[in-house]
Amino acid sequence: SQTIHQWPATLVQPVGSPLSLECTVEGTSNPNLYWYRQAAGRGLQLLFYSVGIGQISSEVPQNLSASRPQDRQFILSSKKLLLSDSGFYLCAWRRGAKNIQYFGAGTRLSVL
Amino acid sequence: KQEVTQIPAALSVPEGENLVLNCSFTDSAIYNLQWFRQDPGKGLTSLLLIQSSQREQTSGRLNASLDKSSGRSTLYIAASQPGDSATYLCAVVENTGNQFYFGTGTSLTVIP
Repeated sequence: SQTIHQWPATLVQPVGSPLSLECTVEGTSNPNLYWYRQAAGRGLQLLFYSVGIGQISSEVPQNLSASRPQDRQFILSSKKLLLSDSGFYLCAWRRGAKNIQYFGAGTRLSVL
Repeated sequence: KQEVTQIPAALSVPEGENLVLNCSFTDSAIYNLQWFRQDPGKGLTSLLLIQSSQREQTSGRLNASLDKSSGRSTLYIAASQPGDSATYLCAVVENTGNQFYFGTGTSLTVIP
């Protein structure tokens, strides 16, 4: 069966520090991968998606970047965090456009 | 740009009641629509996926319908239970299959 791992579960970082959140998927190959952010009182916002290694599509201009160094690994990064980067970050995957999207447990990021 | 709205924002019902959650979207050119539940501080759990060619999907006590022409989907929960308490989110996938648009969710509380 397929599983998706996200870490860390919670993170507290000072403004201006770097960020690296990692997401890995097991039990499948060539998944479509997604990063979302859920801010307090707001819906999920799609940040990045990837349909293959090295292929990243960005949905909103922001202080963040994403990379996919391996087929089942998706990394969300920032060189310098802003207060507005605080939120709940969720990684998700699915096998293809017709299929269900599965989510990780999320990372709660607090930028102070 | 697709906009997804969920009404009501919050709902409280006594145990055993049947209830309907609503999701509306502005662009009917969708690929599919997915309903999720989210428990506090957790990731999303997929409930039902409806392809654009389908009218409804059922899983246990849950039934989701889709009316593309009117831009609406409903999630029907039969015989509600306290364990159904969670936030329910709908997500619309646009025609290329990679853009997800989420509603802000309906927070459901089922009172024992």
